[in-house]
Amino acid sequence: AQSVAQPEDQVNVAEGNPLTVKCTYSVSGNPYLFWYVQYPNRGLQFLLKYITGDNLVKGSYGFEAEFNKSQTSFHLKKPSALVSDSALYFCAVRASLSGNTPLVFGKGTRLSVIA
Amino acid sequence: EPEVTQTPSHQVTQMGQEVILRCVPISNHLYFYWYRQILGQKVEFLVSFYNNEISEKSEIFDDQFSVERPDGSNFTLKIRSTKLEDSAMYFCASRATGTGRETQYFGPGTRLLVL
Repeated sequence: AQSVAQPEDQVNVAEGNPLTVKCTYSVSGNPYLFWYVQYPNRGLQFLLKYITGDNLVKGSYGFEAEFNKSQTSFHLKKPSALVSDSALYFCAVRASLSGNTPLVFGKGTRLSVIA
Repeated sequence: EPEVTQTPSHQVTQMGQEVILRCVPISNHLYFYWYRQILGQKVEFLVSFYNNEISEKSEIFDDQFSVERPDGSNFTLKIRSTKLEDSAMYFCASRATGTGRETQYFGPGTRLLVL
């Protein structure tokens, strides 16, 4: 069975500081990993994904994430946080085994960037 | 940029009533999904749909739920007899086919309140 763990319910960071939102996963076979962001009263907006290739993937709004197979992690990072980055962040995984496997989401981490 | 759209944005209904949630996936996408998010909880998979049939469904998707693609553009989720615990945000998502097209794109959601 697939699962995703986001160990932090809340992450607080000062504007301009680097941020990290943690994610670990469990999946049979090779993982497809995703980060989505949810702003208040909005849907899930795709940020970035890891499918194969370079372990460091870059996405929208200056976000990046590093795939670490040995630690089964896919932490989201940004070198310099903005107040507008404050939102709910979801990590998701699906197995690459079949074409229509659904996404399994973590419970989400609320990021608060303080000016 | 093409987007997944959903109607209505909000729906209030009485317990036992039928509701139909509507989605217009991104055109040329062929995989469709419904997820839900109970307030304060994580996003949960309900059902996936491809080639005019259900590909996979979760244990949440019982006989009270059904999905349909009535025409070339709409994708609907019907709840036959709503229960209080069906109150949630319901998200539709779609995905293209082919290698490198693994990302699911989500609509803004329909907030369903069952009284």
